[in-house]
Amino acid sequence: QKEVEQDPGPLSVPEGAIVSLNCTYSNSAFQYFMWYRQYSRKGPELLMYTYSSGNKEDGRFTAQVDKSSKYISLFIRDSQPSDSATYLCACDNAGNMLTFGGGTRLMVKP
Amino acid sequence: DAGVTQSPTHLIKTRGQQVTLRCSPKSGHDTVSWYQQALGQGPQFIFQYYEEEERQRGNFPDRFSGHQFPNYSSELNVNALLLGDSALYLCASSLTRDSRNQPQHFGDGTRLSIL
Repeated sequence: QKEVEQDPGPLSVPEGAIVSLNCTYSNSAFQYFMWYRQYSRKGPELLMYTYSSGNKEDGRFTAQVDKSSKYISLFIRDSQPSDSATYLCACDNAGNMLTFGGGTRLMVKP
Repeated sequence: DAGVTQSPTHLIKTRGQQVTLRCSPKSGHDTVSWYQQALGQGPQFIFQYYEEEERQRGNFPDRFSGHQFPNYSSELNVNALLLGDSALYLCASSLTRDSRNQPQHFGDGTRLSIL
């Protein structure tokens, strides 16, 4: 079993929809949680960086972490075709080594 | 402000050869990490360099080695290439403050194909 699990999708939604992306993890030592967006033929781009449990909002993006259930989420409001990409969650315990999920491919249709 | 830059963008090698990939960190960053991303999968941590030393290493064989230079740039070397080494190799940079990393920022990677 992988330490960080993500549904690979693809997830297809209409433009303007609210998107919910999720990850589960098994290592209770993880303290920092990140979401990256990766376009085809590009490197991962940092979207959200959170510490411990709680919510963090940045524009159309909201990240939620529930350490009690080892569950992390990313919500995208008013989704746009330009949001179509692969979304990677990543977890970090000592600040040195990121452990990634396998990524969820999102398609937002006009 | 230049982000993380990697070279070359693409590389084709044959089995048994050796390869060197290069990375320049984002301005102001002093820590470099390397990841391997197979097609359709998430990145896997190879190792991290700080103060010109390997600070932590993932589950990769000794064929994978690295170096960090005084200007914080870094190289990844892979010897005795195998078909399974075909992947996107990503470099990430960050700033170590108070003995822990800040968020890691990635370059666009080097796509390595082994024939």
